[in-house]
Amino acid sequence: AQKVTQAQTEISVVEKEDVTLDCVYETRDTTYYLFWYKQPPSGELVFLIRRNSFDEQNEISGRYSWNFQKSTSSFNFTITASQVVDSAVYFCALSGTPTSGNTPLVFGKGTRLSVIA
Amino acid sequence: NAGVTQTPKFRVLKTGQSMTLLCAQDMNHEYMYWYRQDPGMGLRLIHYSVGEGTTAKGEVPDGYNVSRLKKQNFLLGLESAAPSQTSVYFCASKPQGAGDQPQHFGDGTRLSIL
Repeated sequence: AQKVTQAQTEISVVEKEDVTLDCVYETRDTTYYLFWYKQPPSGELVFLIRRNSFDEQNEISGRYSWNFQKSTSSFNFTITASQVVDSAVYFCALSGTPTSGNTPLVFGKGTRLSVIA
Repeated sequence: NAGVTQTPKFRVLKTGQSMTLLCAQDMNHEYMYWYRQDPGMGLRLIHYSVGEGTTAKGEVPDGYNVSRLKKQNFLLGLESAAPSQTSVYFCASKPQGAGDQPQHFGDGTRLSIL
C-alpha cells in the first residue's frame, strides 16, 4: 500500500526565516510520482510541483526548493525567506503507475505553516 | 478558463436528507475524482472515474454514490446524509495517461449535516 507521512502538523516561523516541510513516502512501485500542493486560507488547492521517481535532481523555483532523496524515501520542501503569504496548509502526495493507467493520489495529512510578521 | 467547477459551494443538510454535488470540467479530461477533507486527515478518495460511464470505489466510499453519464460531469450523491459526512468535498480531474499529470482541483464544497 502507498502511504505519505507528513510528521509536522503545524509549524510557525517568523517572516524571513527559512523553513523545511518534511515528506516521507512508502510505495512498492518502481515508477511513481510525487507532488506538493498548497492550500491557502481561501481553501483552494494549488499545484506546486511534481517529480518522478527517476529524477532525483533537486529543483528550485524562486524561494521554493525541493529535495528528493530515494535512499530515504523523502521529498522535502524548503521555503527560503518566508513571507506572510506563504501561510497555508501544504500537502505532499504520491501516485503510482498501475496497469490501468489510473493513478489516484494518496495525500499526507498536511502541514499547516504560519508565517508571522 | 473555468477548469473544474463545483456546485454548490456551501450547503447545510439535516440528517437523513439527500443531495447531489455536481462537478463539471471543461478540459476534456478522462479521469475524475471525488475527495473529502477532514481536519487533520488530509484528502481521502471517495470514488473516481476513468471515463464516461465508469466509476470505482476509493478509500472511503460508504454512504456515497457517483455517476459519470457525461465525460465532463461527475456527480456525488448522498442518499441519506449523516453527521459524519460533514466535510469539505473536492472534485479533481486529470488527463488520461501516465501518473505524472497533476490533478486539477475545484474550489471545494463545504457541507454540514445537522
